[in-house]
Amino acid sequence: GAVVSQHPSWVICKSGTSVKIECRSLDFQATTMFWYRQFPKQSLMLMATSNEGSKATYEQGVEKDKFLINHASLTLSTLTVTSAHPEDSSFYICSALAYNEQFFGPGTRLTVL
Amino acid sequence: AQSVTQPDIHITVSEGASLELRCNYSYGATPYLFWYVQSPGQGLQLLLKYFSGDTLVQGIKGFEAEFKRSQSSFNLRKPSVHWSDAAEYFCAVGAIGGYNKLIFGAGTRLAVHP
Repeated sequence: GAVVSQHPSWVICKSGTSVKIECRSLDFQATTMFWYRQFPKQSLMLMATSNEGSKATYEQGVEKDKFLINHASLTLSTLTVTSAHPEDSSFYICSALAYNEQFFGPGTRLTVL
Repeated sequence: AQSVTQPDIHITVSEGASLELRCNYSYGATPYLFWYVQSPGQGLQLLLKYFSGDTLVQGIKGFEAEFKRSQSSFNLRKPSVHWSDAAEYFCAVGAIGGYNKLIFGAGTRLAVHP
């Protein structure tokens, strides 16, 4: 139980395009989901907290207009990287909150050329 | 401000040997502490957590961790390492309810020699 999936698992896009990453809780509902970013050989940095039916809360330094988060249902949150640039290349990980614990997705590798 | 330090970036042990991964935290109040393991292609998996009570916490896969307030530490241990334990290990501290805004350490990559 408590499985979180992400789609796609990896994506390559051209600079200037937008990319959408989906995070789904497969066997439970999650009012709250989190989005993290992980640079190579570094730690996870929390980008934003996504709450179903309301606006996401972004961490300091995260551009909300660049990283659009939509939590449209209790099982789906999406992260859209708008006008992606090479510096946005990273590993994006989501988690869903349930049973007082965060359950993590496998991550999405984004490469912007 | 909250922070987590994992002093060891990379550790190599022989299979069957004991293991200790270090974690130090900085937090003004009683911390909520976690250890996660990350394997390639898989999401982070919770090994164990400390919220309160007994300072020696047992987790999955034979891991345990001890909370030492005086040393601001939460070191992860395993008496006998298996080759399948090779992975990246992250210590994290949480605030406000224990599961919001997890602050992660930089991680320790564990390699296991046969």
